Amino acid sequence: GQNIDQPTEMTATEGAIVQINCTYQTSGFNGLFWYQQHAGEAPTFLSYNVLDGLEEKGRFSSFLSRSKGYSYLLLKELQMKDSASYLCAVLDSNYQLIWGAGTKLIIKP
Amino acid sequence: GAVVSQHPSRVICKSGTSVKIECRSLDFQATTMFWYRQFPKQSLMLMATSNEGSKATYEQGVEKDKFLINHASLTLSTLTVTSAHPEDSSFYICSAPFGGMETQYFGPGTRLLVL
Repeated sequence: GQNIDQPTEMTATEGAIVQINCTYQTSGFNGLFWYQQHAGEAPTFLSYNVLDGLEEKGRFSSFLSRSKGYSYLLLKELQMKDSASYLCAVLDSNYQLIWGAGTKLIIKP
Repeated sequence: GAVVSQHPSRVICKSGTSVKIECRSLDFQATTMFWYRQFPKQSLMLMATSNEGSKATYEQGVEKDKFLINHASLTLSTLTVTSAHPEDSSFYICSAPFGGMETQYFGPGTRLLVL
């Protein structure tokens, strides 16, 4: 079966750095996405990785290792507005998005 | 960038009634749209793939007679929840690919509450 695992909840301090991990087992791979979702809202796109390595975009970076079925989202200089759920999703061989359950990130002052 | 809208954003209805949710691609054409459902504290679950001009493809366990999907034009897909029950209360989100299946644009979601 297809499976995406990420921690349920994480807590971090304002101004700090946090890394959210995601491991996946899917039928085929056409890229991995990270989305941010605030409560009651639809997900918003953060990043897309299809090749191994680190993609940096401002305070957010995303890493992918296809051989290990592993990705992480790195958030730097955390701000209170970063409190949200972060969803990892993989595009499988049928170009269908397989979603993780999301990681709720709580930022404390 | 591409914009996807949904209407209504929030709906409350009585048990047994039908509710229609619209998903529109505002500045691009979408031959395919996806309908998701998200229960509180859970991830998005794909319900069906809406195909313009043909029947929708439903995921396993999703009742096609209960969740009617119509993709009548290249910019509009509708999801009708027929004979809604309290357990259908959820957050319904649509998405449409633009410029490739790896680029999905999400609508703002519709929160359905069935009393």
